[in-house]
Amino acid sequence: AQSVTQLGSHVSVSEGALVLLRCNYSSSVPPYLFWYVQYPNQGLQLLLKYTTGATLVKGINGFEAEFKKSETSFHLTKPSAHMSDAAEYFCAVSEVGSNDYKLSFGAGTTVTVRA
Amino acid sequence: DAGVTQSPTHLIKTRGQQVTLRCSPKSGHDTVSWYQQALGQGPQFIFQYYEEEERQRGNFPDRFSGHQFPNYSSELNVNALLLGDSALYLCASSLPSGYEQFFGPGTRLTVL
Repeated sequence: AQSVTQLGSHVSVSEGALVLLRCNYSSSVPPYLFWYVQYPNQGLQLLLKYTTGATLVKGINGFEAEFKKSETSFHLTKPSAHMSDAAEYFCAVSEVGSNDYKLSFGAGTTVTVRA
Repeated sequence: DAGVTQSPTHLIKTRGQQVTLRCSPKSGHDTVSWYQQALGQGPQFIFQYYEEEERQRGNFPDRFSGHQFPNYSSELNVNALLLGDSALYLCASSLPSGYEQFFGPGTRLTVL
């Protein structure tokens, strides 16, 4: 069974500073990996995904994430935070090559950006 | 290109009542999944529908049921509502491979 752990339920950064959100997964095989963002009172928007190929994945709004199989991690980064990045971020996994179609989500990390 | 739409936006019910939530998938998608997101938590998988059949189910009681129509739209039904059913219910659509899912804005259900 897959599981996702997001380290840190709240992250506060200054505008212009690095954003780093941590995600570790547990899976019997390397899964597909996703980061979603959720703004208040809205649904989930896909930021980026890793399926196969290059382990450094670039997404929307300047975010990127790196898949590290040896560390079972998929941390999300953005070099320079903007006020509009204040939101909740979810890491999710999906099992590959099985009859398990669901996304399994972490508990989320709330990002606040200080002016 | 219309994305995933859900109705209603908000809903208030009392304990013991029944509720139906609706979802229309993104154009070209034929697979619909439902998730429950309690306050302060990540979404939890309820079930997925494909070809009008429940293809996979999460750890939710039988009070939660669903349906998919020939036009791929879907309903989520919850019977005998409990206070703990208060949550944001998210619908997601995808192609049959299912690994990339597109989410709707959700329906906020409050049970009093």
